[in-house]
Amino acid sequence: NAGVTQTPKFRVLKTGQSMTLLCAQDMNHEYMYWYRQDPGMGLRLIHYSVGEGTTAKGEVPDGYNVSRLKKQNFLLGLESAAPSQTSVYFCASSYQGSGANVLTFGAGSRLTVL
Amino acid sequence: RKEVEQDPGPFNVPEGATVAFNCTYSNSASQSFFWYRQDCRKEPKLLMSVYSSGNEDGRFTAQLNRASQYISLLIRDSKLSDSATYLCVVNPRLSSARQLTFGSGTQLTVLP
Repeated sequence: NAGVTQTPKFRVLKTGQSMTLLCAQDMNHEYMYWYRQDPGMGLRLIHYSVGEGTTAKGEVPDGYNVSRLKKQNFLLGLESAAPSQTSVYFCASSYQGSGANVLTFGAGSRLTVL
Repeated sequence: RKEVEQDPGPFNVPEGATVAFNCTYSNSASQSFFWYRQDCRKEPKLLMSVYSSGNEDGRFTAQLNRASQYISLLIRDSKLSDSATYLCVVNPRLSSARQLTFGSGTQLTVLP
């Protein structure tokens, strides 16, 4: 049982390049999330999804797009990377209802934008 | 003012010591409270929920003070393996993870 798997684990981009982070979960969770974590700041929600085919904006959505075509996958895209997007990105998933407070996180993706 | 504030530390304590962390939150309507643990360069993992009456899980005790709007985590008989960053998490609702607010964490190092 893999839980939540993120790929890639590390990536270096140049300003203006695009990339996609992939998140996959095998727990049949309804909810999925993308967070970013920066030094001295708490995890901040970028986008989230409450089910297949649905997405919504979180606290810091600018510069990112997401898609959830299949229940088990949640993709995070950067269309034109900027140095301010250098961060550690965590995908998470949870059940709905009262279980939504218990997040299972992936191992993280470290992105550097030069 | 941050919605959830924690002392970043670091807290350096000897093995066997008792250590306590506090976390304050600004939204008085907050409904759900948690402590997550994050090891260095790893993902956060749920440590424990915090209930109104306080709760204990082995060496860990969590308390909630709604009047003063803070939660606390007490670790007794610290182990080397307790070294990690402890994240305070607050939810203004009972069951909506969209609004989970994470503190920036308190770093604990347990020394041999």
